[in-house]
Amino acid sequence: LAKTTQPISMDSYEGQEVNITCSHNNIATNDYITWYQQFPSQGPRFIIQGYKTKVTNEVASLFIPADRKSSTLSLPRVSLSDTAVYYCLVESGAGSYQLTFGKGTKLSVIP
Amino acid sequence: GAVVSQHPSRVICKSGTSVKIECRSLDFQATTMFWYRQFPKQSLMLMATSNEGSKATYEQGVEKDKFLINHASLTLSTLTVTSAHPEDSSFYICSARSTSGGTEAFFGQGTRLTVV
Repeated sequence: LAKTTQPISMDSYEGQEVNITCSHNNIATNDYITWYQQFPSQGPRFIIQGYKTKVTNEVASLFIPADRKSSTLSLPRVSLSDTAVYYCLVESGAGSYQLTFGKGTKLSVIP
Repeated sequence: GAVVSQHPSRVICKSGTSVKIECRSLDFQATTMFWYRQFPKQSLMLMATSNEGSKATYEQGVEKDKFLINHASLTLSTLTVTSAHPEDSSFYICSARSTSGGTEAFFGQGTRLTVV
């Protein structure tokens, strides 16, 4: 599975849009990109998954360029409750088996 | 949405005793569940893959005789930490996907184990 690299931490003020970029240079043709959110002392929660171009749901948007070597999770107008660790994962085939977690990005939202 | 429930959420045990953690998929069936361990300020590390009706698959470096996994039904997997030591203190999280497909994995709320 492709290794992922993301910033260790980010700070943002409430109400701002936050973009977290993840690099996955060795992504394979049938790999998907998935993002999970984890609050302290809780299990991770699925945010969004994509293969290419742009995916949007009620929580976030995921932008994937044509070469798919990186992806950007966009959180619109963050609130204090969005303070969490965000993990970018590369999965072999949508809905495939085990997940390998990298270090994640700790997002701190400031009032 | 689909829910994975873990029990207990928090447990304290004495060194040398065993602790059982349950992971249930409440509204879907899962032939495969996963057990992770997370130390403070670190990422999740996969410990083992639990397969319904067969033996679990352990990741390298995880002692199968210490971390006993049983997946007796399509909705229940258990992790038993045997002869627990203080270094086993950690946050244990289970995960499952529905056998009917779907893109997301569902995680339990985690179990905080403290061995004293």
